[in-house]
Amino acid sequence: SQKIEQNSEALNIQEGKTATLTCNYTNYSPAYLQWYRQDPGRGPVFLLLIRENEKEKRKERLKVTFDTTLKQSLFHITASQPADSATYLCALLLDSNYQLIWGAGTKLIIKP
Amino acid sequence: EADIYQTPRYLVIGTGKKITLECSQTMGHDKMYWYQQDPGMELHLIHYSYGVNSTEKGDLSSESTVSRIRTEHFPLTLESARPSHTSQYLCASSDQGSTDTQYFGPGTRLTVL
Repeated sequence: SQKIEQNSEALNIQEGKTATLTCNYTNYSPAYLQWYRQDPGRGPVFLLLIRENEKEKRKERLKVTFDTTLKQSLFHITASQPADSATYLCALLLDSNYQLIWGAGTKLIIKP
Repeated sequence: EADIYQTPRYLVIGTGKKITLECSQTMGHDKMYWYQQDPGMELHLIHYSYGVNSTEKGDLSSESTVSRIRTEHFPLTLESARPSHTSQYLCASSDQGSTDTQYFGPGTRLTVL
């Protein structure tokens, strides 16, 4: 079956450390992988996009890697801050029908 | 902050009522979407539109209907609300670019008693 897996358990990180979130998928051929941030009671906000032929993408304190062999993307936040606390969603854009398929997200908690 | 708006933000209604959830965007995007999301769960696509007079059903079976008469407006209607419709409803839009980066509204939290 096709699915996207993100760690359902909350990730607790000390302020200033690097937070790493994982997105694994099976049986998809994604054209792109996107990461979004969602705060409680709000809609997701787009953060970064990485193409299937890219290995790494950076934006300020954010870094995304994409390994199509492992079928995995890693999302890193360096020098984490309490304001980074939120749920982070990954989404795959399928190259078959250009529909976005969403993971359930991982809740990140940055402790002061 | 994306220029996409949803009203109402919260709605509590009784079973059997007809409701319309409003969604408008000022970005001129052709593509618009409605998602349903329960707490801690992934977004499920219930309807989408690629432009005026275009509407399609998504992967999640839904008893709702949508219309797209104007580019900026994509309302969702439930003819007869039931407790099983209790959920968060999120509207999004994207431009015609191939990456389909989506911009979301703040959502409508619907509770059907």
